[in-house]
Amino acid sequence: DAKTTQPPSMDCAEGRAANLPCNHSTISGNEYVYWYRQIHSQGPQYIIHGLKNNETNEMASLIITEDRKSSTLILPHATLRDTAVYYCIVRGTSYDKVIFGPGTSLSVIP
Amino acid sequence: GAVVSQHPSWVICKSGTSVKIECRSLDFQATTMFWYRQFPKQSLMLMATSNEGSKATYEQGVEKDKFLINHASLTLSTLTVTSAHPEDSSFYICSAPSPSGVDEQFFGPGTRLTVL
Repeated sequence: DAKTTQPPSMDCAEGRAANLPCNHSTISGNEYVYWYRQIHSQGPQYIIHGLKNNETNEMASLIITEDRKSSTLILPHATLRDTAVYYCIVRGTSYDKVIFGPGTSLSVIP
Repeated sequence: GAVVSQHPSWVICKSGTSVKIECRSLDFQATTMFWYRQFPKQSLMLMATSNEGSKATYEQGVEKDKFLINHASLTLSTLTVTSAHPEDSSFYICSAPSPSGVDEQFFGPGTRLTVL
């Protein structure tokens, strides 16, 4: 699996958009970008994934650069419940094992 | 969506005893499941890949005789921590891939193990 780098922590004001960056410069052509989050003492939760096109769902948007070497997860209107550790992961399919990096600890501030 | 459950959600045991943790896929079949361990303020560390009907594949540095994995059916994998010691106290999480092969992996809620 390709390695990813994320900032260790970020703050975001409640109601504002949270933009979480991820670098994955060694991603290969058949690898997807996945984002998960983990709220304290819970199992990780899937957020979104994409290959090369931008994606949006009810939780977030995923913007992938044209060269696919980086991406940004956008939470459009952050709430206090979005405080969690966010993990950016690249892998081929859902059958591949998920290797977690340290992630970004997002704190949403009232 | 698909759900993965774990049982128990938490367990406290004495040093030297064995503890079994169950991971179930509730509405889909999973020929493969994954087991993770997470220490406080750290990321999840993959321990092993559980394969239905065959031996588990362990990550480097994980003792297979200490962490016994059995994947006896398409919906159940078990992790047994044998002769538990206080340093085995951790948060254990399992996951199962989406049947679609592309979408998400589904994670269980985790099991908090405390060894006294």
